[in-house]
Amino acid sequence: KNEVEQSPQNLTAQEGEFITINCSYSVGISALHWLQQHPGGGIVSLFMLSSGKKKHGRLIATINIQEKHSSLHITASHPRDSAVYICAAIKAAGNKLTFGGGTRVLVKP
Amino acid sequence: KAGVTQTPRYLIKTRGQQVTLSCSPISGHRSVSWYQQTPGQGLQFLFEYFSETQRNKGNFPGRFSGRQFSNSRSEMNVSTLELGDSALYLCASSSGGTGTNYEQYFGPGTRLTVT
Repeated sequence: KNEVEQSPQNLTAQEGEFITINCSYSVGISALHWLQQHPGGGIVSLFMLSSGKKKHGRLIATINIQEKHSSLHITASHPRDSAVYICAAIKAAGNKLTFGGGTRVLVKP
Repeated sequence: KAGVTQTPRYLIKTRGQQVTLSCSPISGHRSVSWYQQTPGQGLQFLFEYFSETQRNKGNFPGRFSGRQFSNSRSEMNVSTLELGDSALYLCASSSGGTGTNYEQYFGPGTRLTVT
């Protein structure tokens, strides 16, 4: 079993819908990143969080350290949100990044 | 500020050869991390450098090595290339002392194809 698991693997939504991507991890972590990767490979860091909730525009990320779970929400989704979203946990032992398998999101107009 | 740059962007090599990839971080960033991305394994952490010292290393064979220069530019080297080394190699820079605990700024990647 991977140390960081994401669900779903693929997600298709209609423009305007609310999207949730989940990330669960089995190791102790100090923080967690959410990344966005567009076709062509470029990766953008969306959030880094170690507790609670962060919001940036239509994106919201939450983390529950006790439950070892994080979620990324996209409100009022738009076709330009189509991308792969990846969570990456910073393992408390050694500060190494361990990645989830990614969630491929397609938002249809 | 200029972003993270990686050179070359595309590379084709033959099995058994070696390759050197370069990464220039954002000005003022002292931490550079390297990652490998393949369709089968996804993203994997290779190593992290801070102030010319390797701080962290992932689970890759010794054929994968790196270094960082005094201007924070970093190179990674893969010797005796194998077909399985075909991947997108990404580097990321951050301002923090332990790079992975700070926001990472990614370069566009180098796509390596081994034939």
